[in-house]
Amino acid sequence: DGGITQSPKYLFRKEGQNVTLSCEQNLNHDAMYWYRQDPGQGLRLIYYSQIVNDFQKGDIAEGYSVSREKKESFPLTVTSAQKNPTAFYLCASSYLTGGGELFFGEGSRLTVL
Amino acid sequence: AQSVTQLDSHVSVSEGTPVLLRCNYSSSYSPSLFWYVQHPNKGLQLLLKYTSAATLVKGINGFEAEFKKSETSFHLTKPSAHMSDAAEYFCVVSEWQAGTALIFGKGTTLSVSS
Repeated sequence: DGGITQSPKYLFRKEGQNVTLSCEQNLNHDAMYWYRQDPGQGLRLIYYSQIVNDFQKGDIAEGYSVSREKKESFPLTVTSAQKNPTAFYLCASSYLTGGGELFFGEGSRLTVL
Repeated sequence: AQSVTQLDSHVSVSEGTPVLLRCNYSSSYSPSLFWYVQHPNKGLQLLLKYTSAATLVKGINGFEAEFKKSETSFHLTKPSAHMSDAAEYFCVVSEWQAGTALIFGKGTTLSVSS
């Protein structure tokens, strides 16, 4: 079945550690996105990529990094520079000319201990 | 610039009664508009979308929304709520013609009581 796979679903991190969240899609979508979700704040865009080897900062990119070496993969690293990393992280993908409809993964919940 | 406002952060209804979730938007283009639903600790699922075709859009699970340009609104409705409709709902605006990313509303939590 086509879809987006995020892993791990739950992740615990000690302060000062970097962690990487995985996002893989087999929908042949060009664009991929990372969102952060906090209660009552909706979804905020961290990074997005419209093509391999290219990505753009979103509204809250500080303390995060991404790579897009393959069309199918868009991993997100939460670095120690992110001051408040505890959140629910959602990966999504879309066709570039599909009117903007996003397809989402199941999310990864990161907790900093 | 595009923006979206969900007018209620929380809506409570009884099972079998109508649902109305309100959304207003602002856009410099002819936007695409979406409603997504999210159940706890899950990703978002598309309910319906408007992309400049019919102004009354039917979605999954009996939901529908009407695009009203004069009121810049895209309210989500359902004639009869079911317990399984309890979730968080997001209104989203896209100016994809301009190459910008989607803008999400802050969400409306729908509670359904028996």
